[in-house]
Amino acid sequence: DAGITQSPRHKVTETGTPVTLRCHQTENHRYMYWYRQDPGHGLRLIHYSYGVKDTDKGEVSDGYSVSRSKTEDFLLTLESATSSQTSVYFCAISDRVGSQETQYFGPGTRLLVL
Amino acid sequence: DQQVKQNSPSLSVQEGRISILNCDYTNSMFDYFLWYKKYPAEGPTFLISISSIKDKNEDGRFTVFLNKSAKHLSLHIVPSQPGDSAVYFCAAIGGGSNYKLTFGKGTLLTVNP
Repeated sequence: DAGITQSPRHKVTETGTPVTLRCHQTENHRYMYWYRQDPGHGLRLIHYSYGVKDTDKGEVSDGYSVSRSKTEDFLLTLESATSSQTSVYFCAISDRVGSQETQYFGPGTRLLVL
Repeated sequence: DQQVKQNSPSLSVQEGRISILNCDYTNSMFDYFLWYKKYPAEGPTFLISISSIKDKNEDGRFTVFLNKSAKHLSLHIVPSQPGDSAVYFCAAIGGGSNYKLTFGKGTLLTVNP
């Protein structure tokens, strides 16, 4: 158990509304990530953070923004939700031992945009 | 451009037999590989990993083999159990993106009693 929680776990929203998903970790890991999982695509990286206020884009970052004001919290915001953002969102933290990194995932947030 | 490929969307095996899940990659700069298992409505769970300097890593019933020349890795589960039924993702790190995992699309393993 990597001490990762995500909230909310489920959300239904309407097109055009803003949505914020929260990832919270209890073990002071430096690196945090947001992924989305869609059928036929596996997991794709949206944004990641390598420290407080330090973030960067992943491969599918359009339409998403992130913020990290505290080590333990990494927020993902959909400024204006679209139906194409209906997905399951996973947060992850990484644990590095030397040059080897393992990422541990939260339980996921299922988002439906109507 | 899919850098990590799992060409079999599904695999069905009998309980007690061996399950072999395959993964191919195209980026020769990848230097660390991981397998994750995912049950429905849960997050992916780390299973086993292997560094590119090794060709085999074993943990209980799970063994990962790496063939760098073929850019191929495989996960062997022996013996397979019904509780192993899940989606298995192959992932890779490296190639100048040390903090980013590149995932395959996953293989659904079904172990029949």
